[in-house]
Amino acid sequence: NAGVTQTPKFQVLKTGQSMTLQCAQDMNHNSMYWYRQDPGMGLRLIYYSASEGTTDKGEVPNGYNVSRLNKREFSLRLESAAPSQTSVYFCASRYTGGEKTQYFGPGTRLLVL
Amino acid sequence: GENVEQHPSTLSVQEGDSAVIKCTYSDSASNYFPWYKQELGKRPQLIIDIRSNVGEKKDQRIAVTLNKTAKHFSLHITETQPEDSAVYFCAAYDSGTYKYIFGTGTRLKVLA
Repeated sequence: NAGVTQTPKFQVLKTGQSMTLQCAQDMNHNSMYWYRQDPGMGLRLIYYSASEGTTDKGEVPNGYNVSRLNKREFSLRLESAAPSQTSVYFCASRYTGGEKTQYFGPGTRLLVL
Repeated sequence: GENVEQHPSTLSVQEGDSAVIKCTYSDSASNYFPWYKQELGKRPQLIIDIRSNVGEKKDQRIAVTLNKTAKHFSLHITETQPEDSAVYFCAAYDSGTYKYIFGTGTRLKVLA
């Protein structure tokens, strides 16, 4: 049981390049989330998927797109990376129901030059 | 939408003393309030949580209190130890939207 996994762990991009951050969970969770973490800003919600087949915008969705590929996988895409997207990205998941605990992946550190 | 404010941003205490971190939220629909601890370079880890129908919850040296009327909740750590040094985040969850909104974090330093 790996929990929540993310790839890659670290990535350097040039301005304008695109990339997809991958997230997968093996806990049969319904809801999945993408956050970015910047110094002094805490965790800000980018997009989330309450259940398979649905996605919704969070606090800071501009410049990102997401895909809930299946129940296990939720990817985050940067179509044209900008230096302002330099951050640490965390994926998280939770079971929709009485249990509200959110489980985080190890994070992806992204540097956009 | 929901807004969560967290204070203080940094907190230094002597080993053995208590530490208190406070958060306020704006949306009365929020009904679940977790606290996370994040060590340098690591992912956030849940340390304690409280639901809106409970006023206080305790787990060994850690406790959380919730005042729904005032819309604020607090984390209390007693008998602090050097390994408690980390960044702590509060969050508010709205079961209607499935969204968690986080505070900006408190960097706790426990001085030996």
